[in-house]
Amino acid sequence: EADIYQTPRYLVIGTGKKITLECSQTMGHDKMYWYQQDPGMELHLIHYSYGVNSTEKGDLSSESTVSRIRTEHFPLTLESARPSHTSQYLCASSGGNYNEQFFGPGTRLTVL
Amino acid sequence: KNQVEQSPQSLIILEGKNCTLQCNYTVSPFSNLRWYKQDTGRGPVSLTIMTFSENTKSNGRYTATLDADTKQSSLHITASQLSDSASYICVASDRGSTLGRLYFGRGTQLTVWP
Repeated sequence: EADIYQTPRYLVIGTGKKITLECSQTMGHDKMYWYQQDPGMELHLIHYSYGVNSTEKGDLSSESTVSRIRTEHFPLTLESARPSHTSQYLCASSGGNYNEQFFGPGTRLTVL
Repeated sequence: KNQVEQSPQSLIILEGKNCTLQCNYTVSPFSNLRWYKQDTGRGPVSLTIMTFSENTKSNGRYTATLDADTKQSSLHITASQLSDSASYICVASDRGSTLGRLYFGRGTQLTVWP
């Protein structure tokens, strides 16, 4: 099992709240990613990072922001949550041959 | 347009039976093809990774094939078990960027009945 962790696993909050989804990995990978996945749908890349102080937006437009101050840590923040943000958020990191991506267990976010 | 399509969308089989899942991709320039297993409420876990020069790779009861000419891949599961119930996701990677962008299919939802 990959050494990549996400907290919380489940989060139910009201509209307008600020939230931060945590992601950390102990594999020393430079590249990290955030994906959004709705039930029965494919994963969509929303943010990625090549390393410390590097962050880029992915293919799917997202109102969330990310930061990469330490190699092992890649948190995602929503300043004002809305019901449209309800989804599963998956964090991943990659390294080694084929730039293989290892995924965390995900955070299931529900905004009421 | 780079994309990955999987079939069937869902599949139900009896425990002990074999099954084959299909994947077609149009990613270019193509780098490698991956199959992931995703349990409900969990993150995907890698099963196999194949480059364009490989045409088969096994991981226990899972065997993946790749035909880079027709841009098709399959995942064969032998002697299915109840724990095989999950979504199986086909993912193609391009080599056009240092990121190695991944293109995900929507997955085949496999249910194994006792």
